[in-house]
Amino acid sequence: AQTVTQSQPEMSVQEAETVTLSCTYDTSESDYYLFWYKQPPSRQMILVIRQEAYKQQNATENRFSVNFQKAAKSFSLKISDSQLGDAAMYFCAYRGYQGGKLIFGQGTELSVKP
Amino acid sequence: DTAVSQTPKYLVTQMGNDKSIKCEQNLGHDTMYWYKQDSKKFLKIMFSYNNKELIINETVPNRFSPKSPDKAHLNLHINSLELGDSAVYFCASSKQRFYEQYFGPGTRLTVT
Repeated sequence: AQTVTQSQPEMSVQEAETVTLSCTYDTSESDYYLFWYKQPPSRQMILVIRQEAYKQQNATENRFSVNFQKAAKSFSLKISDSQLGDAAMYFCAYRGYQGGKLIFGQGTELSVKP
Repeated sequence: DTAVSQTPKYLVTQMGNDKSIKCEQNLGHDTMYWYKQDSKKFLKIMFSYNNKELIINETVPNRFSPKSPDKAHLNLHINSLELGDSAVYFCASSKQRFYEQYFGPGTRLTVT
């Protein structure tokens, strides 16, 4: 069975600085998708970024980028120029190539200090 | 326009009651899901429907019964509510099961 692990329950970053959130996963599949979701206090789940396992190039979305290390089964999220609005719970998630359910990590609570 | 909507947003009820949570999506998606987020914020899939057909049914007590009257709606009915059912329930949808999932705002269920 696939598992996703986020080992940092809480992280803190100064406004305008850069922070990296860690995620590791375990799977026997060769093709799959990885996601980062943001959940602010409003509790809405917002897709931040996605990565297809077959793509070697790391995904980027504006200030958000990932470091995808397939062999190491690692998928970290880097937030550059952190803003107060980035404060939220961040979830790493896995989905198999055949689609269907998302498997989530435990989440990392990110706080941003002004 | 709300893409995935849930009603109600908050639900407080007593143990033993039966309640329903409704979900509707106006994205034209074929696949819908129910996730449960517990008090430690852990999210886990419960059910998934594709074109009104149940395709995922995780280990969930049979007190929980999803119903999909059409592909735009997926409701969750819970019988004989227990304290441990208190959680936030999220509905989500995707174009097909291979595509990104879009989440509703969640329903916070509190069982007293």
